[in-house]
Amino acid sequence: KAGVTQTPRYLIKTRGQQVTLSCSPISGHRSVSWYQQTPGQGLQFLFEYFSETQRNKGNFPGRFSGRQFSNSRSEMNVSTLELGDSALYLCASNERRGPYNEQFFGPGTRLTVL
Amino acid sequence: AQSVTQLGSHVSVSEGALVLLRCNYSSSVPPYLFWYVQYPNQGLQLLLKYTSAATLVKGINGFEAEFKKSETSFHLTKPSAHMSDAAEYFCAVRPTGANSKLTFGKGITLSVRP
Repeated sequence: KAGVTQTPRYLIKTRGQQVTLSCSPISGHRSVSWYQQTPGQGLQFLFEYFSETQRNKGNFPGRFSGRQFSNSRSEMNVSTLELGDSALYLCASNERRGPYNEQFFGPGTRLTVL
Repeated sequence: AQSVTQLGSHVSVSEGALVLLRCNYSSSVPPYLFWYVQYPNQGLQLLLKYTSAATLVKGINGFEAEFKKSETSFHLTKPSAHMSDAAEYFCAVRPTGANSKLTFGKGITLSVRP
């Protein structure tokens, strides 16, 4: 099976712009999770989607949003970019393993905000 | 809320030496516990997991971890370090309830000296 695909891999934007990141999960997986990784805050949970519905959400401002399509592909959007949004954004494809989800991570999208 | 503590941000060992990376969690109920590894410019890869079965868990690349409820710990070990083990290691905890979120520690960078 192909792994998790994230596009683009690298992105440079300026403050005030908006950005959309894409994630294609492993075939057959219906759930994806998004994380933001920064040197200062580490890995922080953004949101989780299952079958097009947001199932869980982290503590991020409303500028961060996401959605999932019927083919399980997911996008996240950040509006009105700030310098502090510079980070590696990781998508995980979730597979149900009994009582918990096992997560398979993509390579990430490196966002730089100037 | 669940939390994970990884003491120190950097560990350096000689090739062939024991690797010990510490992880402590806070939870009134034993959660699910995970160790992930991240190589430069890559996503996270699951090394091993504790899901309330055996307390000594063996993972990939010769790593293992022992769940100790009395110490609320889940330390990662490898008997003999290899140069290819140099990476960042993250401990993570997930409560046992449905739709629970994964919380990561700050991560530890492992350096291996020749």
